[in-house]
Amino acid sequence: EVQLVESGGALIQPGGSLRLSCAASGFIVSRNYMSWVRQAPGKGLEWVSVIYSGGSTYYADSVKGRFSISRDTSKSTLYLQMNSLRAEDTAVYYCARMECTGGRCGDYSYYYMDVWGKGTTVTVSS
Amino acid sequence: SYVLTQPPSVSVAPGKTARFTCGGNNIGRKSVHWYQQKPGQAPVLVISCDSDRPSGIPERFSGSNSGNTATLTISRVEAGDEADYYCQVWDSSSDVVFGGGTKLTVL
Repeated sequence: EVQLVESGGALIQPGGSLRLSCAASGFIVSRNYMSWVRQAPGKGLEWVSVIYSGGSTYYADSVKGRFSISRDTSKSTLYLQMNSLRAEDTAVYYCARMECTGGRCGDYSYYYMDVWGKGTTVTVSS
Repeated sequence: SYVLTQPPSVSVAPGKTARFTCGGNNIGRKSVHWYQQKPGQAPVLVISCDSDRPSGIPERFSGSNSGNTATLTISRVEAGDEADYYCQVWDSSSDVVFGGGTKLTVL
């Protein structure tokens, strides 16, 4: 069964650091695009970061320079290193597998999030 | 950066048709994906690439995309369809963009 399980969420003080993990089963993380998406309390979905199967990484402007996405191939785990945390980073963080179909996989715009984890909660507060 | 505009809410009676719009500059040139999120749950993909329905999603769900508006349509709405619905595209900078979401209320 294809599954994603996030962990590492916590209550952390402003300015602190945290590393989130996303354990994948049923597929190989390094062969897929993988994303982190967050949702602040009562708000909509906000994309955070993506790592391509080839290793390229991209970030939302709101986290650029503070967050870093990575993966451990041997452990089939995705990570999100979060530094210099702010109150506005408070959210449920989801990891998601990105997939494409047919002959459209050469164009990143055809990738969609087909598998999501249940999320892990990060609260930044003093 | 690219902006997607969704109305905050849609209300429909059971058995009727619900339509969710997602507006963006020339969005018809992009591939639009739709997600359903019920309270306290993770999002679920309901439409990919404008109009493809993933396995397990009822045929009542359909999508279209043209000009400056993409549309998700739910036919014969049921109480269990009550949820938030989000559209998503990629912008030209390889960034993922979500719309603000639309809350469906089944009357």
